[in-house]
Amino acid sequence: EAAVTQSPRNKVAVTGGKVTLSCNQTNNHNNMYWYRQDTGHGLRLIHYSYGAGSTEKGDIPDGYKASRPSQENFSLILELATPSQTSVYFCASGDAFYEQYFGPGTRLTVL
Amino acid sequence: GDSVTQTEGQVALSEEDFLTIHCNYSASGYPTLFWYVQYPGEGPQLLFRASRDKEKGSSRGFEATYDKGTTSFHLRKASVQESDSAVYYCALSVNTGNYKYVFGAGTRLKVIA
Repeated sequence: EAAVTQSPRNKVAVTGGKVTLSCNQTNNHNNMYWYRQDTGHGLRLIHYSYGAGSTEKGDIPDGYKASRPSQENFSLILELATPSQTSVYFCASGDAFYEQYFGPGTRLTVL
Repeated sequence: GDSVTQTEGQVALSEEDFLTIHCNYSASGYPTLFWYVQYPGEGPQLLFRASRDKEKGSSRGFEATYDKGTTSFHLRKASVQESDSAVYYCALSVNTGNYKYVFGAGTRLKVIA
């Protein structure tokens, strides 16, 4: 069964609204990541975590917060969503230098 | 800083054509290099990796050789199939005190039957 799951898979939000994207992994990996994927930009790192209770800023953290309440769960929070945050978001888990395991993605549209 | 450059944004080929996707990297340490593949509607998945100079990674007919001298890890396949149509990402991980993982911008491959 899938080791990294994301919910919701699709989300439509209004400008200024709060959006929470959730990610769960059963790989028992210490590290988890949030990326956004846009045409022409590939995968861009938003936030990542080394373990429960830790969050670190990635390359494009502005407008996003992250929360890692447990080894298995990592959330991405948009407190005040804007149309520029319309994108496909991927969560991944992994250990140090090795491969990352990605979830199926969440398509977010902010109107 | 650490970076990965994929030269081709899009590649269109016919079945049985030879594929090359160029990947060059810049890293402050000794990186591990990866190729990922992403099929439509899915997340990226590892194709293969290489950890040292001259090591060849391979999977599903794809291969790439780690070349520290030219800082390259070019993806090749001798004969592509329509089912190979996907987005391909080159990536690196490197330990610079805190380890870092960097993806290239991706190359969209379309194979026409």
